[in-house]
Amino acid sequence: GQQLNQSPQSMFIQEGEDVSMNCTSSSIFNTWLWYKQDPGEGPVLLIALYKAGELTSNGRLTAQFGITRKDSFLNISASIPSDVGIYFCAGRDNYNQGGKLIFGQGTELSVKP
Amino acid sequence: KAGVTQTPRYLIKTRGQQVTLSCSPISGHRSVSWYQQTPGQGLQFLFEYFSETQRNKGNFPGRFSGRQFSNSRSEMNVSTLELGDSALYLCASSWAASGANVLTFGAGSRLTVL
Repeated sequence: GQQLNQSPQSMFIQEGEDVSMNCTSSSIFNTWLWYKQDPGEGPVLLIALYKAGELTSNGRLTAQFGITRKDSFLNISASIPSDVGIYFCAGRDNYNQGGKLIFGQGTELSVKP
Repeated sequence: KAGVTQTPRYLIKTRGQQVTLSCSPISGHRSVSWYQQTPGQGLQFLFEYFSETQRNKGNFPGRFSGRQFSNSRSEMNVSTLELGDSALYLCASSWAASGANVLTFGAGSRLTVL
């Protein structure tokens, strides 16, 4: 099925470091969402973006909706051990694909205390 | 407000069997979407139901089917199980049909096919 290109696939960082991950798509999206999944749980919404150029923060997390509408990034500042998990971007095109949410492959984040 | 509830959480089946998974959405949510999550393929969209009607379908074979009841609860069924069907099956709900709303996920049903 169609997927977004999310990178990097995995990251190993030291506690306190900043993290950046991004997603790109060949098609335009109207909505970008970022989710985090902890082991044994379902994904939990972190940030939702609805407008090209939009920059939104949620605590130490900041995400942006790219102005081309084909990409988005997520930054985590001053990482802590509980940031460990898999981060997924997801995009939606309301006019094609029936509005279904397409997910990236995920970025697995490991944080060393 | 209770979250999205999926049952069973874990199950083991053998090839050729069939399985039914259940999802109870957040109260008031009328849309239920199903995703298959595997390490190699990530989250793949299966289908979406809204008001008991299938609105959207992913690229899965006909062995994968679903339905939604009048109380918005949904079930998905996989018949003639194959080894490759081993995965975490995630259900997500939203109050309206896809297009304007974020999805709230359940914890998933982990299916192992032996």
